[in-house]
Amino acid sequence: DAKTTQPNSMESNEEEPVHLPCNHSTISGTDYIHWYRQLPSQGPEYVIHGLTSNVNNRMASLAIAEDRKSSTLILHRATLRDAAVYYCILRDGGRPTGGGNKLTFGTGTQLKVEL
Amino acid sequence: GAGVSQSPRYKVAKRGQDVALRCDPISGHVSLFWYQQALGQGPEFLTYFQNEAQLDKSGLPSDRFFAERPEGSVSTLKIQRTQQEDSAVYLCASSPKDTVSNQPQHFGDGTRLSIL
Repeated sequence: DAKTTQPNSMESNEEEPVHLPCNHSTISGTDYIHWYRQLPSQGPEYVIHGLTSNVNNRMASLAIAEDRKSSTLILHRATLRDAAVYYCILRDGGRPTGGGNKLTFGTGTQLKVEL
Repeated sequence: GAGVSQSPRYKVAKRGQDVALRCDPISGHVSLFWYQQALGQGPEFLTYFQNEAQLDKSGLPSDRFFAERPEGSVSTLKIQRTQQEDSAVYLCASSPKDTVSNQPQHFGDGTRLSIL
């Protein structure tokens, strides 16, 4: 499986935008880029995913580099509730059925949000 | 609507005891996954079910770990003769369909297992 690299931690002030980077230089053409986050004492929560084009939803935006070797999760206005570990994950969309498309988590980025 | 439910929320057992962890996925979800999360680490895949069929158990760390989903809904993860290294949070996730890679997985809040 292709690997992702994220900073161990980042800090932000409340109500400011946050840009969380992810490098995935060995990404294949069929890999989707997924982001999940995990709040303290909770299970991971899906945030957003994309393949080639930038994506927006109610939680965040995903900016994907033109060569797809990196991506950035953008939280437009961070709140204290956004303090969590953010995971960038690649999922292979080209495999035949039966594999289940399990998620392969790394150690993610711990986002700290301050007042 | 109801999300993925796991029970118990916390479990303490003595080394050598058997434990059973339950997962109630979102109703109608075909795919069910179990993950193990050690302290300070990301979750690691254990096993995958498509309905009642266990299609991938490559992540189970030993033959002491056993999972089942007999009717294609509720799943149980059983650990026999528990060891201290089994202490972790066990997470269950479900998704509506099989092997569609852009389908998000919906996670429960996990069972925190502590082996004394």
